[in-house]
Amino acid sequence: AQSVTQPDIHITVSEGASLELRCNYSYGATPYLFWYVQSPGQGLQLLLKYFSGDTLVQGIKGFEAEFKRSQSSFNLRKPSVHWSDAAEYFCAVGFYGGSQGNLIFGKGTKLSVKP
Amino acid sequence: EPEVTQTPSHQVTQMGQEVILRCVPISNHLYFYWYRQILGQKVEFLVSFYNNEISEKSEIFDDQFSVERPDGSNFTLKIRSTKLEDSAMYFCASRPGLAGVGEQFFGPGTRLTVL
Repeated sequence: AQSVTQPDIHITVSEGASLELRCNYSYGATPYLFWYVQSPGQGLQLLLKYFSGDTLVQGIKGFEAEFKRSQSSFNLRKPSVHWSDAAEYFCAVGFYGGSQGNLIFGKGTKLSVKP
Repeated sequence: EPEVTQTPSHQVTQMGQEVILRCVPISNHLYFYWYRQILGQKVEFLVSFYNNEISEKSEIFDDQFSVERPDGSNFTLKIRSTKLEDSAMYFCASRPGLAGVGEQFFGPGTRLTVL
């Protein structure tokens, strides 16, 4: 069955430090990939997406992610974290040839930022 | 910038009551979705809707659930007889017409509390 794994439930980083959030998916077909961010009590905001082409994609708020097909991964990175980045981050995957494009989400990684 | 809207933002209901959650997708979008997120858990796909019919539904979407697009703008999720375990945040999403591919735009969610 298709699945998305975010192995880190909670990560704490210091403000100004670099960040990497991991995401792995399980499926043989070509995926399209997303990272969403959710602040407490809020909806899901798209950070970035990968459909095809360059495997390093840039998103909003200084985030980037790299698709590595050989590792079935789509890790999210930011070189310098800001206190406002504290939120929950969800990786989501859809598949070409899937029915109507519904997304499969990981369980999320909660990011805390220390001053 | 066009956005998906959802009403109400918070709904409290008694167990066994019917609830209708409302969504207004982005106007030129063709695919519509409902997802739910139980507190502290991942976002889960419920149902997708295209061309005025359900195109796919998950195991969660049992006979207690139904969706409708009554007037060409609203997209509703009805739960006929709510259970305690239906308490969750419900997200509506929509996307443009490219089949099987494309970013989904999420609404801010409706928090449903079943007492």
